[in-house]
Amino acid sequence: QSALTQPPSVSGSPGQSVTISCTGASSDVGAYDSVSWYQQYPGKAPKLFIYDVYMRPSGVHDRFSGSRSGNTASLTISGLQAEDEADYHCCSYAGRDTWVFGGGTKLTVL
Amino acid sequence: EVQLVESGGGLVQPGGSLRLSCAASGFTFSDYWLHWVRQAPGKGLVWVSRINTDGLITSYADSVKGRFTISRDNAKKTLFLQMSNLRDEDTAVYYCARVLPGFSYDYWGQGTLVTVSS
Repeated sequence: QSALTQPPSVSGSPGQSVTISCTGASSDVGAYDSVSWYQQYPGKAPKLFIYDVYMRPSGVHDRFSGSRSGNTASLTISGLQAEDEADYHCCSYAGRDTWVFGGGTKLTVL
Repeated sequence: EVQLVESGGGLVQPGGSLRLSCAASGFTFSDYWLHWVRQAPGKGLVWVSRINTDGLITSYADSVKGRFTISRDNAKKTLFLQMSNLRDEDTAVYYCARVLPGFSYDYWGQGTLVTVSS
């Protein structure tokens, strides 16, 4: 049950696009369409932003998009806004009734 | 409105026990799998345990296997996590979360802090 690998931090200016990667293995990210992404503000509970690799829940802006290539999933945020500054976590089903998260990425809007 | 409210956290000595609860409302509790996820201070989220709809199928992260027990009371719409033989590294905010069929978490509680320290 090794954690997925995310960059500790990313940054971008308002209006720019940023991409957060989430690297796993052929036994988790690469094996199942169960990759999800969560936004979390300090001291608050996580909120679902992307599920099933690229699906957006209702209420999540289409500036947020998910994708996957091989064992790496990605979250792209376009048209960065100040309120996007938060921590982002990826998660994947890892088989045999286990789940695995990434270490989280802190997004800073410059 | 879907709500998950955790309780039961607190300060406990190493080797001690604690029972967390998660009270649910706003949805048909018995229709959903539920999970516990924890977050140590300043760290990322870590999956802890999951339980199916009737409570008969459970699974655990290796780090808590044999020490934690997940259970549920569908009549009382409450999820539990019995934690024993607690270690310093179990210190974290513990969240309960509802699971969608595709295995993502669509609703989370506000979390309850467990501190293991002498």
